[in-house]
Amino acid sequence: AQTVTQSQPEMSVQEAETVTLSCTYDTSESDYYLFWYKQPPSRQMILVIRQEAYKQQNATENRFSVNFQKAAKSFSLKISDSQLGDAAMYFCAYRSATYNQGGKLIFGQGTELSVKP
Amino acid sequence: DAMVIQNPRYQVTQFGKPVTLSCSQTLNHNVMYWYQQKSSQAPKLLFHYYDKDFNNEADTPDNFQSRRPNTSFCFLDIRSPGLGDAAMYLCATSRTLDTEAFFGQGTRLTVV
Repeated sequence: AQTVTQSQPEMSVQEAETVTLSCTYDTSESDYYLFWYKQPPSRQMILVIRQEAYKQQNATENRFSVNFQKAAKSFSLKISDSQLGDAAMYFCAYRSATYNQGGKLIFGQGTELSVKP
Repeated sequence: DAMVIQNPRYQVTQFGKPVTLSCSQTLNHNVMYWYQQKSSQAPKLLFHYYDKDFNNEADTPDNFQSRRPNTSFCFLDIRSPGLGDAAMYLCATSRTLDTEAFFGQGTRLTVV
């Protein structure tokens, strides 16, 4: 069974600074997807960034980028130029590429990010 | 505009009293999911519908059931809520099983 681990329950960053959130996972599959989701207080979870395991190039979305280390099963999220609106719970998630897995997302326990003005 | 809407946002129910949570979507997506998120824990998939096909996770308790009367709506029924069922319940949709999931705001269930 696949597992996702986020070892940092809470992180804090100064506005305009850079922060990195850690995530490790365990799987025996070779093809899968990894995601970072953001869940602001009292708002819905939204997708921040996604990475296909078969791609060596790290995904980037504006101020958000990942460091995907497939051999190490590590998938960290870097937020550059942090903004107050980045404050949220961040979840790392895994999804098998096997179609009969039903699109199931396996989540880590989350990292609560606070941004200090 | 909200695309996945969950009602109510907060629900208080009595121990053992059946309760239903609602999810609707305007995306016309084929797949609808229900996740349970207990305090300080990772969201965990309970089940999903692909169109009318219901798919239960192996470890989902029998106390939890779901209905999908049409494409737009999906319900989560808890037949006899226990204190351990207090959680945030998240509904999500996706066009197919391998496309992006869109989440609702969740319903926070309290059992008293």
